[in-house]
Amino acid sequence: GEDVEQSLFLSVREGDSSVINCTYTDSSSTYLYWYKQEPGAGLQLLTYIFSNMDMKQDQRLTVLLNKKDKHLSLRIADTQTGDSAIYFCAESYTGRRALTFGSGTRLQVQP
Amino acid sequence: GAGVSQSPSNKVTEKGKDVELRCDPISGHTALYWYRQSLGQGLEFLIYFQGNSAPDKSGLPSDRFSAERTGGSVSTLTIQRTQQEDSAVYLCASSTRTGGTLYEQYFGPGTRLTVT
Repeated sequence: GEDVEQSLFLSVREGDSSVINCTYTDSSSTYLYWYKQEPGAGLQLLTYIFSNMDMKQDQRLTVLLNKKDKHLSLRIADTQTGDSAIYFCAESYTGRRALTFGSGTRLQVQP
Repeated sequence: GAGVSQSPSNKVTEKGKDVELRCDPISGHTALYWYRQSLGQGLEFLIYFQGNSAPDKSGLPSDRFSAERTGGSVSTLTIQRTQQEDSAVYLCASSTRTGGTLYEQYFGPGTRLTVT
């Protein structure tokens, strides 16, 4: 079955870059996603990448996909205190509409 | 425009009681999903609706859990004879096709269920 894994915690200083990593096992994944969850709020879709892409950049966010190693990363440039949240990676694949989520990485940004 | 809404935002119930959780998807979204987020765990898929039918119920943890959707809009998740392990945040999402096989899911704020 599918499995998505993330490290639990990352602490960075304001202005530094953050890199959040995720590994997945399902080679038939079609899309991979990054969601952000702030305290008391729902999940917000940050960005996604199609499985035939290697990289996607969207303002301060860069997503890298290594299909061979089934590794996904999210880089946040110039991290701000407002970026403090839990970040979830998720995958979907053809034939299954439900998303499979990792357990989330808590990003703490220190001033 | 309005996003996905859920009610109640918080629910405290006694073990053994039944609860109903409601989800109002984004207008026009044909797909609706229920997920559960337990303390310290990721999100666990429960059930997916396309219109009023549920082609994927594979995540429902037991027959105490059921869900329905009417009019292709509002959905209700019902938990019968609640147990303490049912305590979690129940999240609803809706989506529509945005291109190819991409279905962006938009999440509601969740209902925090506490079973005492």
